[in-house]
Amino acid sequence: SQQGEEDPQALSIQEGENATMNCSYKTSINNLQWYRQNSGRGLVHLILIRSNEREKHSGRLRVTLDTSKKSSSLLITASRAADTASYFCATDLIIQGAQKLVFGQGTRLTINP
Amino acid sequence: NAGVTQTPKFQVLKTGQSMTLQCAQDMNHNSMYWYRQDPGMGLRLIYYSASEGTTDKGEVPNGYNVSRLNKREFSLRLESAAPSQTSVYFCASSEYSSGYGYTFGSGTRLTVV
Repeated sequence: SQQGEEDPQALSIQEGENATMNCSYKTSINNLQWYRQNSGRGLVHLILIRSNEREKHSGRLRVTLDTSKKSSSLLITASRAADTASYFCATDLIIQGAQKLVFGQGTRLTINP
Repeated sequence: NAGVTQTPKFQVLKTGQSMTLQCAQDMNHNSMYWYRQDPGMGLRLIYYSASEGTTDKGEVPNGYNVSRLNKREFSLRLESAAPSQTSVYFCASSEYSSGYGYTFGSGTRLTVV
């Protein structure tokens, strides 16, 4: 079963607008990570937020984490055509001493020029 | 460039054939992983290796075997390929203590006919 679930499944916006994607998860986590995947390519790590952090920024990316609601959001500001990709949240669990990353199904983001 | 290298990039197999997917990382990471990604889906963990000499099952291990040959290399073997194993396979590595996310390879697109 999926630990993380993204919402919406697909999002289409105009270039320059902000894009917000949400992620909900089920169990306690060590950290939550966001990845980007361009069509036909591997995943690229964007940002990691630890369970004791509430907000983190990286360039045009802003991630929030609410552990009480078991949810996170990824905001991309001033979107560009190059931001068109699928975005995945992943929850980092430690099980029997091993780090395991469990992925959601992703949000497909399309930026229209 | 440092990273995770997967071979081959593409493969077509007939049902019942066997093959091994190779993965190597040059970042001195302890942990390595194999995921599969089906169309429109997130990644599902097949097997992982928390450290050299150890391997464990993930979410979808049936039909696969793995070998952690040394710290750098982690291979995935399909003993008797089935059409249900048609997927894109990703290898990844991580070093939990670094606080960074996973580094993914570019994937192997496998079709079983």
